[in-house]
Order: sequence, then C-alpha cells, then structure tokens
Amino acid sequence: KNEVEQSPQNLTAQEGEFITINCSYSVGISALHWLQQHPGGGIVSLFMLSSGKKKHGRLIATINIQEKHSSLHITASHPRDSAVYICAVHPSGSRLTFGEGTQLTVNP
Amino acid sequence: NAGVTQTPKFRILKIGQSMTLQCTQDMNHNYMYWYRQDPGMGLKLIYYSVGAGITDKGEVPNGYNVSRSTTEDFPLRLELAAPSQTSVYFCASKTGLYYEQYFGPGTRLTVT
Repeated sequence: KNEVEQSPQNLTAQEGEFITINCSYSVGISALHWLQQHPGGGIVSLFMLSSGKKKHGRLIATINIQEKHSSLHITASHPRDSAVYICAVHPSGSRLTFGEGTQLTVNP
Repeated sequence: NAGVTQTPKFRILKIGQSMTLQCTQDMNHNYMYWYRQDPGMGLKLIYYSVGAGITDKGEVPNGYNVSRSTTEDFPLRLELAAPSQTSVYFCASKTGLYYEQYFGPGTRLTVT
C-alpha cells in the first residue's frame, strides 16, 4: 500500500462544477503539498499546508492532521483547470513522498 | 529569474551509452532534487542535495550519479543507459526545509 493515496484517479466534470480531490496518507507528516501538472508536463506548486485551510482564487485546500486526510477543491471549474493534481507529503527531513496523481478533465 | 532550467528537453540514447542531464537554478536555493516520472506513476526521488558538496540517495538511485559542486548546478549522470531508465526526469529546488519546491520543465529520455 502506498504511503499517499489519492482519489479519484480520474475525474471528468462539466464546466462550472465544484470539484473535490482527496488525499489520504499513512505516516506522520510535517506538511502536505498540492501540485498541478499541466498537459505539457510542467509542474507547479499550488499549496503547502500543515493545518487548517488555504485559499487561492478558486482553489481551496484543507487538511485534517488527526484523520491524515487532505482535500483540494476547485470552485466554478473551467476547462483550463484540466491537469493532473498531485498530493505530496513531507514526513520529516528533506524528502517528499508523492501520490500517483488525479487526472482532471473539465469539459466545456 | 529563470528559475530551474534543465537541458536537454528530449534525448534518445542507445543501450549502454552515457549522458548527463543538466539542472541549474538561479534562486540561491540550498535544496535540490532529481525525480523520475514513469507513465501513470508518481514522482520517484533519485538523488537530492541539501547544499553544495552534500548529496544523498533517494528511492531509486541505481544507475545514476550526481554531484553538487556549486549551489546553482546539480547534474545527473546516467552510466550505461538501460531501457528501464526511459522516463521523464524533473529537477527541483527549494530554499529551505518546509518550503515549496520549484520544478524544472523536465527532460524526456528514451533508451532504445
């Protein structure tokens, strides 16, 4: 079993829908990251959080440390949100452990 | 700032050949990482460095070597390329332990 599990693996939505991607992990962590990988392959960091909730534009990330669970929400989804969303956890030290990603497709 | 740059963008190698993937960052970051991403799989850590002169193995170091002689550069060396090393390679850097990572654009390597 992977230390970081994401669900769903694939998600198709219609433009305007509210989207939730989930991440569960099995180790104690210092921080959790959400990343976005564009269709062209580039990877950008969206959020790093260790407690509570963060918001940036239409993106919201939450984390529950006790339940070892995080969610990434996208409000009013748009076709340009189509990408792979990756959860990564920071157990300790210098290394991240990555989930396998969630492929999101938003249709117009 | 250019951020994290990687060269080349694409490369095809024959089995047994060697090559160096270059990674440079201009943000004065101490931490640098090399990952590989196989189709449908998560990023796997190959090697990392917490500062010039310091490197350490990640999850999948076999068949690779690194060096970190300067803060800016973190080249990844493939010796005796094998088909199993066909992958997309990403370099990343960050300024401190609990900070976001900045990724390079990736190098797509095919070994045939």
